[in-house]
Amino acid sequence: AQTVTQSQPEMSVQEAETVTLSCTYDTSESDYYLFWYKQPPSRQMILVIRQEAYKQQNATENRFSVNFQKAAKSFSLKISDSQLGDAAMYFCAYTRDFNKFYFGSGTKLNVKP
Amino acid sequence: DAGVTQSPTHLIKTRGQQVTLRCSPISGHKSVSWYQQVLGQGPQFIFQYYEKEERGRGNFPDRFSARQFPNYSSELNVNALLLGDSALYLCASSIRDSAYEQYFGPGTRLTVT
Repeated sequence: AQTVTQSQPEMSVQEAETVTLSCTYDTSESDYYLFWYKQPPSRQMILVIRQEAYKQQNATENRFSVNFQKAAKSFSLKISDSQLGDAAMYFCAYTRDFNKFYFGSGTKLNVKP
Repeated sequence: DAGVTQSPTHLIKTRGQQVTLRCSPISGHKSVSWYQQVLGQGPQFIFQYYEKEERGRGNFPDRFSARQFPNYSSELNVNALLLGDSALYLCASSIRDSAYEQYFGPGTRLTVT
């Protein structure tokens, strides 16, 4: 079975600085999709960024970027110029065919003013 | 347009009882997925429905069942409730079963006593 591991239960970053959240996954598939989701205290989960495994180029969405290392099965999220509104739980997720999604246990990000 | 809506917001049930949770997807979305999120953990995939057919099932016992209606809304039923079923139940909708982006609802908080 596919597993997604987030080894950092909690992290802190100073406002305006950069932080990297780690994620590793286990799969025997060559084609799959990876995601980072943000869940603020209000609970509603929102998509931050996605990466297709067949693309070598790392995905970027404004201040959010990923470091996708397919051979190492690593998918980290970098948040640049951190803002107070970035404080939330961040979940890494994997799917092969969009019929099943596997989520990690999450990383709580604290942003200090 | 309204986002994904779920009802009820909160629910308290007793062990052994049955519960039905409801989800209305975003207008135009034909796929609905259900997740269980135990406190402090990431979401666990339960079911995905597309065009009223089950497309994916997670590792949950037969006490969990779901269905999707012609208007694409969905119900999740849990029979013979256990204390361990206490969790936030999230519904997510997408345009189709292979869509990248899932839109999550705010969830239903179920407490089993």
